[in-house]
Amino acid sequence: DGGITQSPKYLFRKEGQNVTLSCEQNLNHDAMYWYRQDPGQGLRLIYYSQIVNDFQKGDIAEGYSVSREKKESFPLTVTSAQKNPTAFYLCASSMTPIEAFFGQGTRLTVV
Amino acid sequence: AQSVTQPDIHITVSEGASLELRCNYSYGATPYLFWYVQSPGQGLQLLLKYFSGDTLVQGIKGFEAEFKRSQSSFNLRKPSVHWSDAAEYFCAVGAEGGSYIPTFGRGTSLIVHP
Repeated sequence: DGGITQSPKYLFRKEGQNVTLSCEQNLNHDAMYWYRQDPGQGLRLIYYSQIVNDFQKGDIAEGYSVSREKKESFPLTVTSAQKNPTAFYLCASSMTPIEAFFGQGTRLTVV
Repeated sequence: AQSVTQPDIHITVSEGASLELRCNYSYGATPYLFWYVQSPGQGLQLLLKYFSGDTLVQGIKGFEAEFKRSQSSFNLRKPSVHWSDAAEYFCAVGAEGGSYIPTFGRGTSLIVHP
């Protein structure tokens, strides 16, 4: 079945550590997105990519980095520069301008 | 820049009652509009979408939404709510052409009383 797979479902990060969240899609979509979700704040765009080897910062890109070396994959790294990384992270993809399809999310907690 | 406002943070209804969730958008041209639903700890699932044509659109799970250009609104409705409808609902807008990036509202949490 086609879809978007995010892993892991739960992730724990120590202070000062970088962690990478995985996002893979087999929908053959050109565009991929990373959103951060905090209670009461909806979804905020971190990064997006519309083609391979190209990506753009969203509204809250500071402390995050991404790569898009393959059409199917769009990993997000949460760096130590992100001071408040505890959140629910959602990856999505779309064949623009049609609707976005979402993965099941990764919950990141700082310990 | 496009934006979406969902004025209600929480909505409480009794099971079997009707439901309307409000959504207002800001965009200069004809927007692409969406409603998504999210269960706790899960991703978002598309309920329905509007691109053009008939302004009343039907979605999954018995939901419908009406696009009103004059009011810049895209409200979600359901005639009879079921307990399983309790979830977070997000309205989203996308731009036609160019750089398409879905913009989401802050969400409305639906609570259903038995």
